[in-house]
Amino acid sequence: EDKVVQSPLSLVVHEGDTVTLNCSYEVTNFRSLLWYKQEKKAPTFLFMLTSSGIEKKSGRLSSILDKKELFSILNITATQTGDSAIYLCAVDRLDSSYKLIFGSGTRLLVRP
Amino acid sequence: DAGVIQSPRHEVTEMGQEVTLRCKPISGHDYLFWYRQTMMRGLELLIYFNNNVPIDDSGMPEDRFSAKMPNASFSTLKIQPSEPRDSAVYFCASRGRGTNGVGAFFGQGTRLTVV
Repeated sequence: EDKVVQSPLSLVVHEGDTVTLNCSYEVTNFRSLLWYKQEKKAPTFLFMLTSSGIEKKSGRLSSILDKKELFSILNITATQTGDSAIYLCAVDRLDSSYKLIFGSGTRLLVRP
Repeated sequence: DAGVIQSPRHEVTEMGQEVTLRCKPISGHDYLFWYRQTMMRGLELLIYFNNNVPIDDSGMPEDRFSAKMPNASFSTLKIQPSEPRDSAVYFCASRGRGTNGVGAFFGQGTRLTVV
């Protein structure tokens, strides 16, 4: 059965700290891994990763995929209170389904 | 495009009542997904459609749940009869065919409370 596991489940940091969120997966016919940020409403897309070792970067956020060890990390540097959210990891299968299988998420709280 | 549109945003109903959630996907998207989110179980895929045809409903918890997609611009998720354990946020998402680089787009969700 396909599985996506995120850690930690929750994290509390202070503004300016750097955080690393983890996502491991077991899925047949892996195609890509996606990160989403969810504040109070809908998940919003952050990154899609398909190749190992290539870092994707957007401002203070970056992510990388290791297809050999079956995991990804999401880094946030110089955290701000606006980074407080649930960060969701999802995997996409290389078949015709295009469905996303989500992990349980990491709840990040950034204190001022 | 206004994105994926869901209605209602909030629904409070009594146990035993029928509940219908609605979704309008992004125009041109071939795939539509219904997810349920709870604190305990996270985001669970209930059912998804490809070109209006249900492909995989293995995530639908019980026969009380049903979903339809009569055309490319509209889908419903119905719960009949509703139970308190159905309380959750229900998301609809859509995406186009192929690796578009951004995965699925989510609606704002319907927060369902069954009392």
